[in-house]
Amino acid sequence: GAVVSQHPSRVICKSGTSVKIECRSLDFQATTMFWYRQFPKQSLMLMATSNEGSKATYEQGVEKDKFLINHASLTLSTLTVTSAHPEDSSFYICSAWTGQSNYGYTFGSGTRLTVV
Amino acid sequence: KNEVEQSPQNLTAQEGEFITINCSYSVGISALHWLQQHPGGGIVSLFMLSSGKKKHGRLIATINIQEKHSSLHITASHPRDSAVYICAVGFGNEKLTFGTGTRLTIIP
Repeated sequence: GAVVSQHPSRVICKSGTSVKIECRSLDFQATTMFWYRQFPKQSLMLMATSNEGSKATYEQGVEKDKFLINHASLTLSTLTVTSAHPEDSSFYICSAWTGQSNYGYTFGSGTRLTVV
Repeated sequence: KNEVEQSPQNLTAQEGEFITINCSYSVGISALHWLQQHPGGGIVSLFMLSSGKKKHGRLIATINIQEKHSSLHITASHPRDSAVYICAVGFGNEKLTFGTGTRLTIIP
């Protein structure tokens, strides 16, 4: 089946540094990638939708200068958390539409970011 | 905007029991999805439904388009089924709308 590989799975960084999270579609072309954030015991919150070759669409309240999204190819989308602060600590997960009839969307394994 | 509601929020059952999780939505949809999120955080897509019923192993998902309702059933539940089950609606490159999730715990 269609797989999205997400790296890193865990990252700890110091306040003020930047962290890049990659999502790579391994056996299909993802024209659109969704980036979510999840706080403990809460639902997924959509941050932005990235489209290959164009600017990402950010949800209301998400700072586009802080959460930089790049979707330069049909198989790779990246989320960079710039000048990270402890309040950015969260679980980030990406998802893509596969076009397959069985399950439609596939999700990355998630990245747990801790900013110290 | 589609409102997606799930019930129950939490469910604890003994191993072997038959499990049912319900999902209702307010506006007509192209597809409904059942997702499974394990404690580590990873999410697995279980089913995508637009009508009728689908089965995979011990999991069965049904949808009633007229009533705007879907159910996820687990037969012969096992502790490894313990996870959060999430209902979501959406299709293609449109945004998914998620239910609040059902936390399932199966006790050996």
